[in-house]
Amino acid sequence: AQRVTQPEKLLSVFKGAPVELKCNYSYSGSPELFWYVQYSRQRLQLLLRHISRESIKGFTADLNKGETSFHLKKPFAQEEDSAMYYCALSLGANNLFFGTGTRLTVIP
Amino acid sequence: EAQVTQNPRYLITVTGKKLTVTCSQNMNHEYMSWYRQDPGLGLRQIYYSMNVEVTDKGDVPEGYKVSRKEKRNFPLILESPSPNQTSLYFCASSFAGTLDYEQYFGPGTRLTVT
Repeated sequence: AQRVTQPEKLLSVFKGAPVELKCNYSYSGSPELFWYVQYSRQRLQLLLRHISRESIKGFTADLNKGETSFHLKKPFAQEEDSAMYYCALSLGANNLFFGTGTRLTVIP
Repeated sequence: EAQVTQNPRYLITVTGKKLTVTCSQNMNHEYMSWYRQDPGLGLRQIYYSMNVEVTDKGDVPEGYKVSRKEKRNFPLILESPSPNQTSLYFCASSFAGTLDYEQYFGPGTRLTVT
C-alpha cells in the first residue's frame, strides 16, 4: 500500500515565484513526517521535520491531518533550491517510507 | 567528521557473482538501514537493523542479505546478483528510539549487474 504520495515527478518554477511540493500520506495514527532533499551530486539530507515546526532555507511544511497532507512551501524560490525532494513518513521504530520524489527546477 | 561511508561507490558485475557493499558510520548510531533508489519508485527500504545482531526486512528484501556484527558496520550482501538489482543503493543511520531520529545517508553505491 502506498503510504506516501508525491503526485508531481517534475516541477518547474521561475526564480522568485512561490513553490509548493505536494505530499499526501495514508496512516490512521499520529504520523511523523519529514522532507528530505538531494542536491545534485550530494547525499540525501534532512530538510525539515514536522515535529519541530521549523523553517529551513525558507521552506515550511504544515501537517494537515484532515487532508492527510504535508506540503512543502516556499514563498520565493531560489536557483539553489533546484533539487530532488522526498517526503517521508515514519511509523515509529525509525523506519522511513519515502514517496517517489519531486524534482524541482527553478528557472533563472 | 561525522559521516556514513559506503564502498564501493561504483560497481559493475555479472549475474550470479556474489558481492558485498560495505557501510560504516562513526556516530555510534544504533539504527542502520539500506535503501535502493530507482527512477519513478523513490527510495525503498531493503533491510534495517535496530542494533547489533538485530536485523529485519524492509519493503524489498528479496535477493539481499545483511549482517550487523558490529555497531558501526552494516554490509549489504548480494549472494547471486541479477540485472533487476541494478540500482543506486544508500545506507543510512540514526539514533534509535527517540523523536530526533534524523537519518544520515551515505553517498550512494551505483551497482550495475549485466
